[in-house]
Amino acid sequence: ELKVEQNPLFLSMQEGKNYTIYCNYSTTSDRLYWYRQDPGKSLESLFVLLSNGAVKQEGRLMASLDTKARLSTLHITAAVHDLSATYFCAVGVDDKIIFGKGTRLHILP
Amino acid sequence: DTAVSQTPKYLVTQMGNDKSIKCEQNLGHDTMYWYKQDSKKFLKIMFSYNNKELIINETVPNRFSPKSPDKAHLNLHINSLELGDSAVYFCASSQDETGGATEAFFGQGTRLTVV
Repeated sequence: ELKVEQNPLFLSMQEGKNYTIYCNYSTTSDRLYWYRQDPGKSLESLFVLLSNGAVKQEGRLMASLDTKARLSTLHITAAVHDLSATYFCAVGVDDKIIFGKGTRLHILP
Repeated sequence: DTAVSQTPKYLVTQMGNDKSIKCEQNLGHDTMYWYKQDSKKFLKIMFSYNNKELIINETVPNRFSPKSPDKAHLNLHINSLELGDSAVYFCASSQDETGGATEAFFGQGTRLTVV
């Protein structure tokens, strides 16, 4: 059974700081997704990573994928309050897309 | 022009009732899903439908039954609702490509409260 583990599950950080969220998964896959969810809202797709070594960046967020290590990271650079949300990684295997438990990110002004 | 739309957005009902949540996608995707998000915000896949065939049925109670009248619709019917069914239910869709599905696009969610 595919397991997707994120850490940390909760993260409180100050504006201007850098931090990384980690996503480990248990089964071979080359499809890794990152989503953002604001309170009371739906999930918004941030990044789709489809190959080993893939790196994508959007603003202050950068995601990478190491399929050999079964690890993806979401790096936050110089955090701003608007990035406060819950971030999910998800892994695609066959016809399933399985989500991690999410990382609740709270950025303090 | 919403890509994945669910109705209703909120649903409050009594224990023991039967209810349905509707989902429609206009993206032309091959696969549709139902996810349950509990109070801790954990997302659990419940069902997946590909070209009108159920291809995944996770360990959910058989009180839950997905119904797909066509490729663009995947409705969720719930019998004999229980308190523990209270959650937010998300519909999603994705496109099949070589190697598997693309990213999933989500509806706005249905907040179900059983009283």
